[in-house]
Amino acid sequence: EPEVTQTPSHQVTQMGQEVILRCVPISNHLYFYWYRQILGQKVEFLVSFYNNEISEKSEIFDDQFSVERPDGSNFTLKIRSTKLEDSAMYFCASSEDPGSLQETQYFGPGTRLLVL
Amino acid sequence: QQPVQSPQAVILREGEDAVINCSSSKALYSVHWYRQKHGEAPVFLMILLKGGEQKGHDKISASFNEKKQQSSLYLTASQLSYSGTYFCGTQEYGNKLVFGAGTILRVKS
Repeated sequence: EPEVTQTPSHQVTQMGQEVILRCVPISNHLYFYWYRQILGQKVEFLVSFYNNEISEKSEIFDDQFSVERPDGSNFTLKIRSTKLEDSAMYFCASSEDPGSLQETQYFGPGTRLLVL
Repeated sequence: QQPVQSPQAVILREGEDAVINCSSSKALYSVHWYRQKHGEAPVFLMILLKGGEQKGHDKISASFNEKKQQSSLYLTASQLSYSGTYFCGTQEYGNKLVFGAGTILRVKS
């Protein structure tokens, strides 16, 4: 069964450093998302991406964050200058049909980011 | 605005039933239910569409009351594998999911 994959599984970084989190969505999916989950809290939407541009973003997704689809398979989240409060599990998700509001979003296994 | 889930936590014995509720103050297009085990990604369970439908597979089913903007997840004859945190994610417009705070379900033998 196709699945969303993410690398790395864990990332430890120093405050102020840049990190890039990578995702490979399911191959025929066209809509991509990043969510994050601070330890013990709910999953929060960050950004959605379709047709090589941001479709929607939350207030969490400020200028420190950017997303990119550098090639036909990868989808990345970059945090330019990490802060302690960026420590969280970051989930990538993808869905097949952006035209449908009821499409299932499939989540990857997550990248646990720890900012020291 | 995030949906409100209740209860916050529930402990069951194997074979018992549970209901988890999710309500929103906004008009919703759909409600998505996920289960997350500790340290793992949320796993999709089902989507409920506006129109008041009910869905189910195995011993897990759900309903969506469009008038009340409320969805309920029903777990019958619970198994140990049902343990985890259940999140509802709601769609108002666009494709983003807004998740509730989660309901921790623990099934004991």
